[in-house]
Amino acid sequence: GQQLNQSPQSMFIQEGEDVSMNCTSSSIFNTWLWYKQDPGEGPVLLIALYKAGELTSNGRLTAQFGITRKDSFLNISASIPSDVGIYFCAGQLSGTYKYIFGTGTRLKVLA
Amino acid sequence: DTGVSQNPRHKITKRGQNVTFRCDPISEHNRLYWYRQTLGQGPEFLTYFQNEAQLEKSRLLSDRFSAERPKGSFSTLEIQRTEQGDSAMYLCASSLALVGDTQYFGPGTRLTVL
Repeated sequence: GQQLNQSPQSMFIQEGEDVSMNCTSSSIFNTWLWYKQDPGEGPVLLIALYKAGELTSNGRLTAQFGITRKDSFLNISASIPSDVGIYFCAGQLSGTYKYIFGTGTRLKVLA
Repeated sequence: DTGVSQNPRHKITKRGQNVTFRCDPISEHNRLYWYRQTLGQGPEFLTYFQNEAQLEKSRLLSDRFSAERPKGSFSTLEIQRTEQGDSAMYLCASSLALVGDTQYFGPGTRLTVL
């Protein structure tokens, strides 16, 4: 199935550090969503982006909708141990209702 | 406001058996999506309903798979003659198409085909 390029694939960071991850594609998207998923559970919505260039924050999380509508990034500031998990981006293809998910970024935080 | 619920949470079946999963979306959400997720991958789109109408289906949805959403409320996903390759997490999401199309996921149904 189709998946978006998401990087990095995984990362180990020290508690308190900032984290950045991004998703890129050759396709144009109407909406970008960022999710966190714990093992055995469904994805939990973190941030939703609806307009090109939009920058939105949710606590320590900040995400941006790329100006070309083909990419998005997520930043986590001052990471804490409970940030551990898998983060997914999801883009809604222009002209469809379909969402394409990224390959995921596995985050591990060292206390 | 309760979230998206899915039942059962886990299903173990033998190859060749039929299985059915249920999804109850957030009340008043008119859009409902089904996804499949295998280990180490992101969710992959299977199908989408707006109210009771099934508007889009992925090529991943073979003729052994069928989804319904009678009356535009809950939805069922049935897999006939299960194969070992059907083992995966099946996720349901719902959204309200007003501003944007923000999807909220249920906890998923983990299917294991022996």
